[in-house]
Amino acid sequence: EPEVTQTPSHQVTQMGQEVILRCVPISNHLYFYWYRQILGQKVEFLVSFYNNEISEKSEIFDDQFSVERPDGSNFTLKIRSTKLEDSAMYFCASSAGLGTEAFFGQGTRLTVV
Amino acid sequence: AQTVTQSQPEMSVQEAETVTLSCTYDTSESDYYLFWYKQPPSRQMILVIRQEAYKQQNATENRFSVNFQKAAKSFSLKISDSQLGDAAMYFCAYRSPTHTGTASKLTFGTGTRLQVTL
Repeated sequence: EPEVTQTPSHQVTQMGQEVILRCVPISNHLYFYWYRQILGQKVEFLVSFYNNEISEKSEIFDDQFSVERPDGSNFTLKIRSTKLEDSAMYFCASSAGLGTEAFFGQGTRLTVV
Repeated sequence: AQTVTQSQPEMSVQEAETVTLSCTYDTSESDYYLFWYKQPPSRQMILVIRQEAYKQQNATENRFSVNFQKAAKSFSLKISDSQLGDAAMYFCAYRSPTHTGTASKLTFGTGTRLQVTL
């Protein structure tokens, strides 16, 4: 069964460092998303991406964040200069079409120290 | 902006019994999508069931069914014949109607932690 794959599963980084979280969406999907979940809290939307551009972004997704689909298969989230409060589980998701369900990856746990 | 409310932080059910998780939402839109996601201890988000607002019939997936009350903006999840593997965090989520050429985000509730006891 096709699935969304995220790497790494866990990343520890020092405050101020740049991190790149990687995702391989399901191959025929056209819509891509990043969400994050701070420990013990709800899942929050960060950004959606369609047709090689950002469709929508939340207020969390400030200039420190960027997304890219560099090679037609990977979908990355970059955090330019990490802060302690960026520590969270980051989920990538993809969906085939408008209104269809989003399939989530297993998440990357980011710990900023 | 849409909001999703899950008023039960924790629920408990005995194995083989039935449990209902509540969800209410607020929207001014008439056509939208509702979902229940399960998050086990592994923390992966797994889709349990979806409902299109234009459909009057309640969605059903094996032991999982929903009670969708559009006028009341209520979307509860019923789990029948509960199993130990059903123990997880359950999130209700809302998706806006689609607009041509754009992706639409999910708005999640705060979740309900379901315990299943022997």
